[in-house]
Amino acid sequence: EPEVTQTPSHQVTQMGQEVILRCVPISNHLYFYWYRQILGQKVEFLVSFYNNEISEKSEIFDDQFSVERPDGSNFTLKIRSTKLEDSAMYFCASSEIGYYGYTFGSGTRLTVV
Amino acid sequence: DAKTTQPTSMDCAEGRAANLPCNHSTISGNEYVYWYRQIHSQGPQYIIHGLKNNETNEMASLIITEDRKSSTLILPHATLRDTAVYYCIVLSIQGAQKLVFGQGTRLTINP
Repeated sequence: EPEVTQTPSHQVTQMGQEVILRCVPISNHLYFYWYRQILGQKVEFLVSFYNNEISEKSEIFDDQFSVERPDGSNFTLKIRSTKLEDSAMYFCASSEIGYYGYTFGSGTRLTVV
Repeated sequence: DAKTTQPTSMDCAEGRAANLPCNHSTISGNEYVYWYRQIHSQGPQYIIHGLKNNETNEMASLIITEDRKSSTLILPHATLRDTAVYYCIVLSIQGAQKLVFGQGTRLTINP
């Protein structure tokens, strides 16, 4: 069964450093998403991406965040200057057009120290 | 904000059917009902979705009331591996609609 692959599974970074979280969506999917989940809290939407541009973003997705699909297969989330409160699980997801279910990756646990 | 209401937690005995209710009284005509689950800290997993007819797949059945204001997810023979948080989400099929997760129902399957 096709999978969404995320790397790394765990990343520890110093506050103020830049991090890039990587995702390989399912190959024939057209919509891509990032979500995050702070420990013990709900899964929160960050951003959706379609046709090489952001289609929607949440209030969380401020100027410190950016997304990119650099080579047609990878989908990355960059946090420019990490804060302690960015510590969370970050999930990438992709979907086909229409009403098919989204497929999530297994997540990257980001710890900012 | 999530457009659905679910019980915070439920318990079910292993081997029995687990019936998880969801209220979505403000659902609109072009919105589907989706169910996802999250096992521990893994990524949410798609289970099933439906518009107005009952649906069944290898994982579960989805019963939607005729007025579409509520639904029930049925896991016919629950196993310990079905212990998870179950999310009921309403979603339009148009465009890149984001999933809005509520708190979900924490289902515990007991041996």
